[in-house]
Amino acid sequence: NAGVTQTPKFQVLKTGQSMTLQCAQDMNHEYMSWYRQDPGMGLRLIHYSVGAGITDQGEVPNGYNVSRSTTEDFPLRLLSAAPSQTSVYFCASSPKGGPSYNEQFFGPGTRLTVL
Amino acid sequence: AQSVTQLGSHVSVSEGALVLLRCNYSSSVPPYLFWYVQYPNQGLQLLLKYTSAATLVKGINGFEAEFKKSETSFHLTKPSAHMSDAAEYFCAVSGNYGKLTFGQGTILTVHP
Repeated sequence: NAGVTQTPKFQVLKTGQSMTLQCAQDMNHEYMSWYRQDPGMGLRLIHYSVGAGITDQGEVPNGYNVSRSTTEDFPLRLLSAAPSQTSVYFCASSPKGGPSYNEQFFGPGTRLTVL
Repeated sequence: AQSVTQLGSHVSVSEGALVLLRCNYSSSVPPYLFWYVQYPNQGLQLLLKYTSAATLVKGINGFEAEFKKSETSFHLTKPSAHMSDAAEYFCAVSGNYGKLTFGQGTILTVHP
């Protein structure tokens, strides 16, 4: 199992550009989430999904869109990048039940810089 | 709403000394609690988790944490620090659908 994978690892954007951060998991987990990590603020939830076709906002959703057409994939779209979106982005998945219930499995992260 | 507070953004210990990283939480339902570790320029690795089975939870790398409901605390300890323990540590509480609310993080420095 590859677990949770994210691409790209690094990205530099100019203000106003759009892009999509990719996330995929091969563990058949129902729940998936996106977090951003900023110094001194821990990780904050951007958007999450409880299954294909179902998404909802987290704590800091502004400027981001998500969709979930399959169980495996959960892309995060930046509509018009701003310097305030410079951050490290983590995708995570978790199962709906079983021994790992409520445990988040994290991807390696994408480091994004917006100039 | 849930929240997590980690007391001390930086903790410094000598190699071989006790490590104590503090975490307090608030939750309206019985919580699932987690400690994650992040080494420089890497992702998050699960250290241990509390799921109500036992109040003292043992994790990887010699770490353990004790759930104290009366104090709403879940402090992380290790009897003897090693240089390789230098990292940032995050405490988190789980909500619905596996969503996590994180504390601000504590950077642990280990001196020789």
